Amino acid sequence: EAQVTQNPRYLITVTGKKLTVTCSQNMNHEYMSWYRQDPGLGLRQIYYSMNVEVTDKGDVPEGYKVSRKEKRNFPLILESPSPNQTSLYFCASRVTGGTEAFFGQGTRLTVV
Amino acid sequence: GQSLEQPSEVTAVEGAIVQINCTYQTSGFYGLSWYQQHDGGAPTFLSYNALDGLEETGRFSSFLSRSDSYGYLLLQELQMKDSASYFCAVREVQGSARQLTFGSGTQLTVLP
Repeated sequence: EAQVTQNPRYLITVTGKKLTVTCSQNMNHEYMSWYRQDPGLGLRQIYYSMNVEVTDKGDVPEGYKVSRKEKRNFPLILESPSPNQTSLYFCASRVTGGTEAFFGQGTRLTVV
Repeated sequence: GQSLEQPSEVTAVEGAIVQINCTYQTSGFYGLSWYQQHDGGAPTFLSYNALDGLEETGRFSSFLSRSDSYGYLLLQELQMKDSASYFCAVREVQGSARQLTFGSGTQLTVLP
């Protein structure tokens, strides 16, 4: 089954404790991206990657890092989480030039 | 920069027709997409319009007018399961990539 898998689905952590949210896709998509969703603000892009070892900032990259060492994986790293990073996070993938993005099930992160 | 506007809430009764409008301001416009999201779950792709006109997929249709920077999603024969959030998203060039930028979403409530 074609899918984008995020882990964990839910996470509660404390300010300053480094965490990683994993994202993996099995569709051989070149393009992957991370979004955060906050009430009334829709989905805002954090980082994107056009292929292995090619990443770039989206609209809200501050406080986040990413890496793309393999085509299927695109982890999101919060080196020192803060309460304003409490949000619902989505990973998405698509073929380069494709019109349909496939989303993971989301990770609900709470930073206290 | 870019901006998209869509109503925050729409309510309709089962069996009715509802139209969700989206206006956008962006440079490097390629097309307009629509996504559906149930209760914080994964957004799922509904439609994409690159050219002016109406695209029909079952009970859902999507329209685009590039000259007016306007589009809409039309849902016919509404069912209870259509209660969800609907996002318009512009596909646009930012830097070296074609990005997907989302509106803030419209919460559709279908009443019995």
